[in-house]
Amino acid sequence: QSVLTQPPSASATPGQRVTISCSGSSSNIRSQTISWYHQVPGTAPKLLIYSGDQRPSGIPDRFSGSKSGTSASLVISGLQSDDEADYYCAAWEDSLNGPIFGGGTRLTVL
Amino acid sequence: QVQLVQSGAEVKKPRSSVQVSCKTSRGTFSNYGFSWVRQAPGQGLEWMGGIIPMSGKANYAQKFQGRVTITADKSTSTVYMGLSSLRSEDTAVYYCARGRFLEWLFPFDIWGQGTMVTVSS
Repeated sequence: QSVLTQPPSASATPGQRVTISCSGSSSNIRSQTISWYHQVPGTAPKLLIYSGDQRPSGIPDRFSGSKSGTSASLVISGLQSDDEADYYCAAWEDSLNGPIFGGGTRLTVL
Repeated sequence: QVQLVQSGAEVKKPRSSVQVSCKTSRGTFSNYGFSWVRQAPGQGLEWMGGIIPMSGKANYAQKFQGRVTITADKSTSTVYMGLSSLRSEDTAVYYCARGRFLEWLFPFDIWGQGTMVTVSS
């Protein structure tokens, strides 16, 4: 199944921890190809996590990624107001020989 | 720091074609992969295809096969995306994005600022 499924929305208050899930299949959810992106509407996406759990330089350790079975998760701890954005997971899909994106999760900081 | 600078907004008629460019500001070009990702208004991200300039080999998403052409000009460090037979559903912001690892398209490490393409009669 060449689809990544994310919840459409998530919310939490400042300081809390929030988890965003990304469900796929064995042909796409593999640690070495999972990545997460953050996008403020009207701006370009930004890489947050790659290879499942690696952060590019400049990304704070409040952001972490993990994988279990055919699901991946993005955890944001110590939530801040400027974390309010859309979050996308992505992974390489073997059957398509290309990357696919999840539908995105809009995070609201209450 | 490497930047990807894209060409400006376009307004096109249905059934016409569009070409969007993406120039790298500095750094190595040929050894990295570059992709095009689009985002329709209010929608999510969609990969269209990519190219590794060193080999010149392009890889396209099945949905766009036959309509999209991605090329790279090593002399100017510029990647191009051409889309033909435009229809209203192609109205979107088109992003170029560089792969993080050498000679691989994915994940997308650096993004251009986006180019709005509007298809309207």
